[in-house]
Amino acid sequence: KNEVEQSPQNLTAQEGEFITINCSYSVGISALHWLQQHPGGGIVSLFMLSSGKKKHGRLIATINIQEKHSSLHITASHPRDSAVYICAVFKAAGNKLTFGGGTRVLVKP
Amino acid sequence: DSGVTQTPKHLITATGQRVTLRCSPRSGDLSVYWYQQSLDQGLQFLIHYYNGEERAKGNILERFSAQQFPDLHSELNLSSLELGDSALYFCASSVTGAGETQYFGPGTRLLVL
Repeated sequence: KNEVEQSPQNLTAQEGEFITINCSYSVGISALHWLQQHPGGGIVSLFMLSSGKKKHGRLIATINIQEKHSSLHITASHPRDSAVYICAVFKAAGNKLTFGGGTRVLVKP
Repeated sequence: DSGVTQTPKHLITATGQRVTLRCSPRSGDLSVYWYQQSLDQGLQFLIHYYNGEERAKGNILERFSAQQFPDLHSELNLSSLELGDSALYFCASSVTGAGETQYFGPGTRLLVL
């Protein structure tokens, strides 16, 4: 079993819909990264979380350390949100990232 | 634009050859990380350098090596290339490396024929 699991693997939404991507991990972590990979391949760091909740524009990320779970929410989704979203964790006392398999999001106009 | 640069953007080579990928971190960042993204394995951590010293190794093959130079740029050397080495290679940088936000370069797409 992978140490970092994401669900769903693929998601299709209509423009304007609320999207949720889930990430569960099985190891102790010091922080969790949400990354966005565009169709061209470039990777952008969206959030880094060690507790609670962060918001940036239409994106919200939450983490529950006790439950070893994080969610990424996209409100009022737009076709430009179409990308692969990747969850990655820093294991406790570590400085290397372990990645989930990614969630491919397609937002249709 | 993350401020991290990678060259070349694309590389096509043959099996058995050797290539060098280059990464320049954001100004002020001391840590450089290398990652491999292949279709079947997803993103995998290869190696981390901090201020010229190796800090952590991941699933890096013995045929691969890296170094970070005094000006903080880094090179990833891939030798005796195999078809399975075809992948996107990303570098990322961060200020110190202690579990903080990493900024990714645009990647080098390697195709081994």
